[in-house]
Amino acid sequence: GIQVEQSPPDLILQEGANSTLRCNFSDSVNNLQWFHQNPWGQLINLFYIPSGTKQNGRLSATTVATERYSLLYISSSQTTDSGVYFCAVLPYPHNRKLIWGLGTSLAVNP
Amino acid sequence: GAGVSQSPSNKVTEKGKDVELRCDPISGHTALYWYRQSLGQGLEFLIYFQGNSAPDKSGLPSDRFSAERTGGSVSTLTIQRTQQEDSAVYLCASSLSRAENTGELFFGEGSRLTVL
Repeated sequence: GIQVEQSPPDLILQEGANSTLRCNFSDSVNNLQWFHQNPWGQLINLFYIPSGTKQNGRLSATTVATERYSLLYISSSQTTDSGVYFCAVLPYPHNRKLIWGLGTSLAVNP
Repeated sequence: GAGVSQSPSNKVTEKGKDVELRCDPISGHTALYWYRQSLGQGLEFLIYFQGNSAPDKSGLPSDRFSAERTGGSVSTLTIQRTQQEDSAVYLCASSLSRAENTGELFFGEGSRLTVL
């Protein structure tokens, strides 16, 4: 089945720094989402981005479906950005189950 | 409702007891998922409901786990004879089904289960 790999597994930043998180997937996908799980366990949608580029404030994401990867950019990081960032894909052709990466654990220090 | 609602938010139970966890999806969302997340781990798929179709139960870890979805809306996840290894956060998600079934997934805040 499709494999989803996220890198780096862990990341420590100083507040104000920028970072790029990567999600590689091994086959074609219908859907790709980025989630942030905050330290209280809440999973928050960041982007629904099967292809192209989207921006939301300090965050942006780019998916290059033909090359099977997606990038999540965090600019001017804040301590509230800490948590785990998950990438999840819905394989193509039609498949009901999202396949999840193992996440990138981010700690932003003041 | 405005978002996916789960209850209870926290449940502490004794080993061997049965528990029920409830999920109320976003109004109009026909797809509903249950996931489990143990401490420090990723998400583990449990079960998927899509409209009136037979649910995909392939992720349920044992026959002590069951789930139902009444009227295509609210879902209940039941764990019978709980074991300590069942301790985890149980997350529910829903999505708006589209013809190509590429709906964006929205999560509830989870039910944290602790089995003593």
